[in-house]
Amino acid sequence: ETGVTQTPRHLVMGMTNKKSLKCEQHLGHNAMYWYKQSAKKPLELMFVYSLEERVENNSVPSRFSPECPNSSHLFLHLHTLQPEDSALYLCASSQDRVGANEQYFGPGTRLTVT
Amino acid sequence: QKEVEQNSGPLSVPEGAIASLNCTYSDRGSQSFFWYRQYSGKSPELIMFIYSNGDKEDGRFTAQLNKASQYVSLLIRDSQPSDSATYLCAVNIRKLTGGGNKLTFGTGTQLKVEL
Repeated sequence: ETGVTQTPRHLVMGMTNKKSLKCEQHLGHNAMYWYKQSAKKPLELMFVYSLEERVENNSVPSRFSPECPNSSHLFLHLHTLQPEDSALYLCASSQDRVGANEQYFGPGTRLTVT
Repeated sequence: QKEVEQNSGPLSVPEGAIASLNCTYSDRGSQSFFWYRQYSGKSPELIMFIYSNGDKEDGRFTAQLNKASQYVSLLIRDSQPSDSATYLCAVNIRKLTGGGNKLTFGTGTQLKVEL
């Protein structure tokens, strides 16, 4: 399998549920990212991990909890979400080096909170 | 002022024409610049990146960067209906302490290539 994969592709959950999103990158990159994309809004960076250490938390509510067990895997644990959290959640990865550090995205998880 | 600005469109061009997409950014310290294509219901796909002033060509795509004027553009030659998508401009605002990079995205320009 190549590139960046995400599971599940679609998720419907109630506000009291707990679920997790999974991301795996097969590119040998050393940095991974979670983004949120809502309708009519720019992509919003949520979290950044570099070499499995969190280096950025972009003022994300605590109901979103990331986990990076190794450089290839990234999780986003969800609990007690709100309907406004419904969005496309995108994972990306990059290789940290001098010069351009292009990010490659996975297919995303379409989340609906009911 | 938005950090990265794009005209939301839609930009309509006839098949075979040149499509010109523009993006301006506010942070003069920005180092690298990216264009992503996003089809409806899909994730962004990287099509070009540029970090030096001037032009960079890749097939039908040309990215142009002018740091003095703080704009970056994407030209698509011989536009095809399959180019119809939203094009996102992203700017590397800063490199993060500890690794990784913070990209700031524009809202995207919707391109429609008409037969």
